[in-house]
Amino acid sequence: AQSVTQLDSHVSVSEGTPVLLRCNYSSSYSPSLFWYVQHPNKGLQLLLKYTSAATLVKGINGFEAEFKKSETSFHLTKPSAHMSDAAEYFCVVRPGGSGTYKYIFGTGTRLKVLA
Amino acid sequence: SQTIHQWPATLVQPVGSPLSLECTVEGTSNPNLYWYRQAAGRGLQLLFYSVGIGQISSEVPQNLSASRPQDRQFILSSKKLLLSDSGFYLCAWSPRSILAGGPAKNIQYFGAGTRLSVL
Repeated sequence: AQSVTQLDSHVSVSEGTPVLLRCNYSSSYSPSLFWYVQHPNKGLQLLLKYTSAATLVKGINGFEAEFKKSETSFHLTKPSAHMSDAAEYFCVVRPGGSGTYKYIFGTGTRLKVLA
Repeated sequence: SQTIHQWPATLVQPVGSPLSLECTVEGTSNPNLYWYRQAAGRGLQLLFYSVGIGQISSEVPQNLSASRPQDRQFILSSKKLLLSDSGFYLCAWSPRSILAGGPAKNIQYFGAGTRLSVL
């Protein structure tokens, strides 16, 4: 069965320090992996995606993630947090294989950035 | 370019009243369409998805229903709302196939959401 686990429900960092949001997945086939960000009362915005090309994926706003098949991980990082990064982040898996239309969401990580 | 519209943005309804939330997609054809619900402080729960007109898959047995009367229109309904239906509802779409110059297949795009409060 496919699943996504976001290991931290809340993360707090100081402005200017690195951000690490952790995600582990389980998928029977080669999956597509995504990170989305959601600001309060807003829809979800795509940060970055992995679809079997380069394992290090760069996204918007300075975020990047590395796909590690051996560890079944897709952690999101940013070298230096900004106050505007405070939001909720979702790791998402779309299992591979034909006829798969569903996306599996993690439970989210709320990032707090301290001044 | 492709856009997704979802309305209304906020809605306050009494218990037992009907519900209709509408979502439309522009600039693409034959999309996969999705309805999600997000309860306060929780992740997203897939409610329905559709791969074509009149084709609806339900993920969670509940008080809600969905319809797709047109290719790019997805409607979420209820005949009688419950208190537990309160939440943030999100519509999303993903491309069915790779279109020249279009968005990459597999990416899911979200509407701005509807905040529903049932009182």
